[in-house]
Amino acid sequence: NAGVTQTPKFQVLKTGQSMTLQCAQDMNHEYMSWYRQDPGMGLRLIHYSVGAGITDQGEVPNGYNVSRSTTEDFPLRLLSAAPSQTSVYFCASSYRRPIRGTEAFFGQGTRLTVV
Amino acid sequence: AQTVTQSQPEMSVQEAETVTLSCTYDTSESDYYLFWYKQPPSRQMILVIRQEAYKQQNATENRFSVNFQKAAKSFSLKISDSQLGDAAMYFCAYRTQTGANNLFFGTGTRLTVIP
Repeated sequence: NAGVTQTPKFQVLKTGQSMTLQCAQDMNHEYMSWYRQDPGMGLRLIHYSVGAGITDQGEVPNGYNVSRSTTEDFPLRLLSAAPSQTSVYFCASSYRRPIRGTEAFFGQGTRLTVV
Repeated sequence: AQTVTQSQPEMSVQEAETVTLSCTYDTSESDYYLFWYKQPPSRQMILVIRQEAYKQQNATENRFSVNFQKAAKSFSLKISDSQLGDAAMYFCAYRTQTGANNLFFGTGTRLTVIP
């Protein structure tokens, strides 16, 4: 099993550029989510999905879009990058109901720098 | 909304000694899950230990154990016989049992192990 595959690992963007962070999982997990990690602030939830076609906002959704057309994939789009979006981004997946397992599995993270 | 508080930004421990990392959380739910994740310099998020709120017995995984005090909403992690490989950022996390079953993180504690 590949688990959660997140690409790219590193990215530098210019202010105003757009990009998509890719996330794929092969564990048939219903729940997928995106976090950003900033120094001293832990991991904060950006967007999440409880199944194909269903997405919702987390704590810090502004400036980001998501979609979930398949169970496996959950891309995160930055529409117009800003320096405030410089961060490390993590994708995570898990079963939705704890009876099937409570653990969240994480991708390797993307270090994004916006200049 | 659930909040997770880690009041120790940094901790250090001598190799082979024991250290305890603190975590408190705020919730109105009676059933939930708690986790400790380790993040080494590689950036990978690694599950250390989990605790189901309905279980009174504290979870243990080899050298790692928790002290779960449900009434006090406290969930501390004890690392015994500390090893150099334990040096990492440690995150406490809370997973809801209602709604989307989102996972919320504390701000983290950076653990240094002194040889």
